[in-house]
Amino acid sequence: AQTVTQSQPEMSVQEAETVTLSCTYDTSENNYYLFWYKQPPSRQMILVIRQEAYKQQNATENRFSVNFQKAAKSFSLKISDSQLGDTAMYFCAFMKGETSGSRLTFGEGTQLTVNP
Amino acid sequence: EPEVTQTPSHQVTQMGQEVILRCVPISNHLYFYWYRQILGQKVEFLVSFYNNEISEKSEIFDDQFSVERPDGSNFTLKIRSTKLEDSAMYFCASSAGGSLGPYGYTFGSGTRLTVV
Repeated sequence: AQTVTQSQPEMSVQEAETVTLSCTYDTSENNYYLFWYKQPPSRQMILVIRQEAYKQQNATENRFSVNFQKAAKSFSLKISDSQLGDTAMYFCAFMKGETSGSRLTFGEGTQLTVNP
Repeated sequence: EPEVTQTPSHQVTQMGQEVILRCVPISNHLYFYWYRQILGQKVEFLVSFYNNEISEKSEIFDDQFSVERPDGSNFTLKIRSTKLEDSAMYFCASSAGGSLGPYGYTFGSGTRLTVV
């Protein structure tokens, strides 16, 4: 079974600064995907960024980037130039890659607050 | 952009009553899911559905839960006899499956179920 751990329940950052959210996971799978989801107060689940385990290059999406360390089973999210709208709960998630229709396994979440 | 639509957005029900949560997945998706998020906790997988049958379910998905795709568009989650601990946000999701699955995994906005 896969587990995902987010050890930072809460974090805060000043607007325009950079913040990094941590995530570690445990799996025996070799083919998998990792995700960061954002959940604002509306509680909708919004995909932020996705990483394929077979890719060595770290994924980036505008101000969001990841540091994927496969050997260490670490998958951190860096948010650059933080904006007030980035305030949300952030969930790290794991999906096995070999089976269609795989479930997502989520971490406990990190509440990020961006301060003006 | 295609959306997963969930109705109602909020439902209040008496303990012991049956509830049906409804979802319209993205039209060309093949896999459908239900997840649950108890307030303040992580998102948990309940069940996945493919080709008109359950493909995987978690230990949470016991006999009081059932899923159905009654027609070509709707996907429902029924809770037969609600308990106070069923109070949660329920998310529907759908994916294309196959190699596209991880890239098209889309969540609905959720149904907030309150059992009183």
